Amino acid sequence: DVKVTQSSRYLVKRTGEKVFLECVQDMDHENMFWYRQDPGLGLRLIYFSYDVKMKEKGDIPEGYSVSREKKERFSLILESASTNQTSMYLCASTPGDGPYEQYFGPGTRLTVT
Amino acid sequence: GENVEQHPSTLSVQEGDSAVIKCTYSDSASNYFPWYKQELGKGPQLIIDIRSNVGEKKDQRIAVTLNKTAKHFSLHITETQPEDSAVYFCAASKTGNQFYFGTGTSLTVIP
Repeated sequence: DVKVTQSSRYLVKRTGEKVFLECVQDMDHENMFWYRQDPGLGLRLIYFSYDVKMKEKGDIPEGYSVSREKKERFSLILESASTNQTSMYLCASTPGDGPYEQYFGPGTRLTVT
Repeated sequence: GENVEQHPSTLSVQEGDSAVIKCTYSDSASNYFPWYKQELGKGPQLIIDIRSNVGEKKDQRIAVTLNKTAKHFSLHITETQPEDSAVYFCAASKTGNQFYFGTGTSLTVIP
């Protein structure tokens, strides 16, 4: 079974803090994604990565950065957290040469106060 | 870019009835259309998908239909059960690294 894990289920941070969200997949997938999920807006792509050290901006990259130093791990970084970044964050992975099914992690609910 | 619209946003059905969720897409080059189910507190999970060379696909009580000419696709759930209650998302993709999601449908099955 493909497994995508995220480092935290719930996270509370203060405005201005640097926040790291970690995602790990165990199926040797080339592509990894970070989405933000808000009610009524569906899933919006923040960044994706198609290989180690490679990344592409999604639809809403402002205020975020990413890091992929190893194939199985994809990190989302909020350089200076703001209250409008309070949201559910979902990580996903998929094999290359797709499109194929995306496998999602359980999500991290981030609250910025 | 691609634009995926999903309707309705909420849907309530009696147990045993059918449920239909519809999505439209804008990019005629999109060729992969997955449907995801998200239960409370969990990440989305694929329940069925269809590629553009197929018009219909079934898996037990779940079916998806695709009309490429009209650029719309639909999810059909028959004989609904309370455990079908969840949020459902449609998506469209033409490459392996860009997926465009609908805004979701919250389905409630009333026992």
